[in-house]
Amino acid sequence: EDQVTQSPEALRLQEGESSSLNCSYTVSGLRGLFWYRQDPGKGPEFLFTLYSAGEEKEKERLKATLTKKESFLHITAPKPEDSATYLCAVQARGNQFYFGTGTSLTVIP
Amino acid sequence: GAVVSQHPSRVICKSGTSVKIECRSLDFQATTMFWYRQFPKQSLMLMATSNEGSKATYEQGVEKDKFLINHASLTLSTLTVTSAHPEDSSFYICSARAPSGGVDTQYFGPGTRLTVL
Repeated sequence: EDQVTQSPEALRLQEGESSSLNCSYTVSGLRGLFWYRQDPGKGPEFLFTLYSAGEEKEKERLKATLTKKESFLHITAPKPEDSATYLCAVQARGNQFYFGTGTSLTVIP
Repeated sequence: GAVVSQHPSRVICKSGTSVKIECRSLDFQATTMFWYRQFPKQSLMLMATSNEGSKATYEQGVEKDKFLINHASLTLSTLTVTSAHPEDSSFYICSARAPSGGVDTQYFGPGTRLTVL
């Protein structure tokens, strides 16, 4: 069964305390894995697309990596403005999209 | 690039009335758009896939006669909640699919908060 699982559900970090969010997936033929950021009351904002195992992408304090089973979103020295829910999604071979339930990140000043 | 807008951002209506929500891709053409519903502190729930020029594909459990979807052009899809009731109150989000590098990235609109009194 195709599915996407994100962990942890919630994460509280002190400002400057680096950590990683996990997205595990089982799909029939991965076409792409996507990371989004969602602020309360807003639509998800696109962050990254990863296409194949070994690929990495960076944007400011965020770095996404991909293996054949999972993706990590590394947050280096986070700031309070990084607080949001981070969503992971995959597109399978049949073009279907599967979303995880998200990780709610809170960065405490 | 890849901006998606939604209108209105917030709507309050009386029970029994119909509400139309517009989703537009502003700087690209989208043959496929998606409509999601999101409850507080929960993830996105796909309601339907909207394809330009053809009928929408609804997910199991979503009433097509209640949630009317029209994708009349490559940049516009509309969701009409017919005879709305308080249980239809929710956050509705659309997305537009844009091909990029061999995969299709979904770009989301800012969402519409519907409150049915």
